[in-house]
Amino acid sequence: GIQVEQSPPDLILQEGANSTLRCNFSDSVNNLQWFHQNPWGQLINLFYIPSGTKQNGRLSATTVATERYSLLYISSSQTTDSGVYFCAVGAYTGTASKLTFGTGTRLQVTL
Amino acid sequence: NAGVTQTPKFQVLKTGQSMTLQCAQDMNHNSMYWYRQDPGMGLRLIYYSASEGTTDKGEVPNGYNVSRLNKREFSLRLESAAPSQTSVYFCASTTRGRGYGYTFGSGTRLTVV
Repeated sequence: GIQVEQSPPDLILQEGANSTLRCNFSDSVNNLQWFHQNPWGQLINLFYIPSGTKQNGRLSATTVATERYSLLYISSSQTTDSGVYFCAVGAYTGTASKLTFGTGTRLQVTL
Repeated sequence: NAGVTQTPKFQVLKTGQSMTLQCAQDMNHNSMYWYRQDPGMGLRLIYYSASEGTTDKGEVPNGYNVSRLNKREFSLRLESAAPSQTSVYFCASTTRGRGYGYTFGSGTRLTVV
């Protein structure tokens, strides 16, 4: 099956710093999503981005499908950004798209 | 509030006991999914339902069964719980077609002793 690797596995930032999280995947995909799991365990969808670039406030993401990687940028980090960031990839079969998740990047933002 | 609702939030089972995890969504989504999350392993797909009336195995289906009761509800059953099934279980849904992300429920933390 498809392999998903995320880096770095752990990241500690001071509030206000910027960061880049990377996701590499081993096969062609037409579905790529980024999620944030907050310290209470809730998974929030950040981006649906199988290709191209999107921005949402302080967060942006870029996927280069031909080179099989995606990047998540966090600017001016805040303590509320803490948690685990997951990249998940997949391919549509009919109407469903099964996602394979990476093991995540654990981010801690300190004051 | 609209979204995906999972019950129960916490459960402790003895080895060999059975239970059903419930999931319901009120967003008129077509596809629903069950994942388990273990420490350091990300999320792994157990079963999914592309649409009402269909179910298919995911990556780790052994020891589980599912039922897509109607368009809203997708349940996960453990017939004979084992300690290896101790995990956090997440249900997710998404609508038909491309361009739409998953919406996850808040999870069920299951401990099998």
